[in-house]
Amino acid sequence: GNSVTQMEGPVTLSEEAFLTINCTYTATGYPSLFWYVQYPGEGLQLLLKATKADDKGSNKGFEATYRKETTSFHLEKGSVQVSDSAVYFCALLRGAGGGADGLTFGKGTHLIIQP
Amino acid sequence: DAGVIQSPRHEVTEMGQEVTLRCKPISGHNSLFWYRQTMMRGLELLIYFNNNVPIDDSGMPEDRFSAKMPNASFSTLKIQPSEPRDSAVYFCASSSGQARYEQYFGPGTRLTVT
Repeated sequence: GNSVTQMEGPVTLSEEAFLTINCTYTATGYPSLFWYVQYPGEGLQLLLKATKADDKGSNKGFEATYRKETTSFHLEKGSVQVSDSAVYFCALLRGAGGGADGLTFGKGTHLIIQP
Repeated sequence: DAGVIQSPRHEVTEMGQEVTLRCKPISGHNSLFWYRQTMMRGLELLIYFNNNVPIDDSGMPEDRFSAKMPNASFSTLKIQPSEPRDSAVYFCASSSGQARYEQYFGPGTRLTVT
């Protein structure tokens, strides 16, 4: 079956530090990959996505590249801010087969940015 | 757009009681998903609907759980009878066939069963 593994948190960084949150996946076929962010007390928001190998998703300074050869989709940001503190979820959607599918999520990584 | 609307935001109930969670998807979206979030298991898909029809309910944990979508603008998730292990945050999400990859989440319902 499909599964997503991401690094355990919490991850604590200082403001302006470089961020990497690792994510690897197991899936048949060619899934689409996503990063969602959850701020305290809120639902999940889509941060970025990539739908095929070598695609790079980017948004708000965050980037992730779909690496089929390593089955990875690591999240990076060059300079984090206190406002980036949140829980980040890596997720996959299995390949197109008609209709909509549910997402398979990793366990989430709690990111804490200190001033 | 108002986004996905869920009610109630918080629910506290006693074991054995019936609980009904409600969701209004974004207007025009034709797919609706129910997820459950717990510390132990993370985020899990319970069931999803496409054009009001249940497509996959393999994530529904037990017969105590049921979900309906009587029309395109409303869905319910019911637990009867509720148990303490059902305590979790329940999220509803919706997506459009035009952008089937992007699911928009509601704020969630935090359920506590005592």
